[in-house]
Amino acid sequence: QKEVEQDPGPLSVPEGAIVSLNCTYSNSAFQYFMWYRQYSRKGPELLMYTYSSGNKEDGRFTAQVDKSSKYISLFIRDSQPSDSATYLCAMSARPGGGADGLTFGKGTHLIIQP
Amino acid sequence: EAGVAQSPRYKIIEKRQSVAFWCNPISGHATLYWYQQILGQGPKLLIQFQNNGVVDDSQLPKDRFSAERLKGVDSTLKIQPAKLEDSAVYLCASSLRGALYEQYFGPGTRLTVT
Repeated sequence: QKEVEQDPGPLSVPEGAIVSLNCTYSNSAFQYFMWYRQYSRKGPELLMYTYSSGNKEDGRFTAQVDKSSKYISLFIRDSQPSDSATYLCAMSARPGGGADGLTFGKGTHLIIQP
Repeated sequence: EAGVAQSPRYKIIEKRQSVAFWCNPISGHATLYWYQQILGQGPKLLIQFQNNGVVDDSQLPKDRFSAERLKGVDSTLKIQPAKLEDSAVYLCASSLRGALYEQYFGPGTRLTVT
């Protein structure tokens, strides 16, 4: 079992829909959870960061972490065509770096249809 | 504030040739990371610098990859000799205080080895 599992998609939804993106993980030591957005031929851009369990909201984006289920989600409300991108989850057991510092999922390719 | 700069953006080489990538982090950022992102995968950390010292290079294939960060600012990543499986996007990221949740990524260098 991989440490972080993420459905690669593609996930295609109509404009205005609520999008749900998810990752599961196996390492119970993970405490720091991040969502990145990556447009084609660009580097990843940090969208949301959450420490431990709970919810965090920023505009149209909501991140949820359920450590008991080892499951994290990103919700996008009122989705726009400009949200079309690959969304990567990433997580870490500690805030600093190192080879075991940040583990990424494979990314979910999201398409918002106008 | 200028972002992380990388060059070249694209490079095509034949196997067994050498190649070098350059990264200029955000001004003042002490921590610099090099990641390898194979198509359809999440980024994988190759090496992390704190100023001009190496924090972790445990996932760097040292028989063919090398990296340096002179004067704690710019960095170069070199592959010599390249293999077909080195085809990937090489991402550079920087962080002010070394926290994984505040990394800023550059646009990447797309390497194709033929």
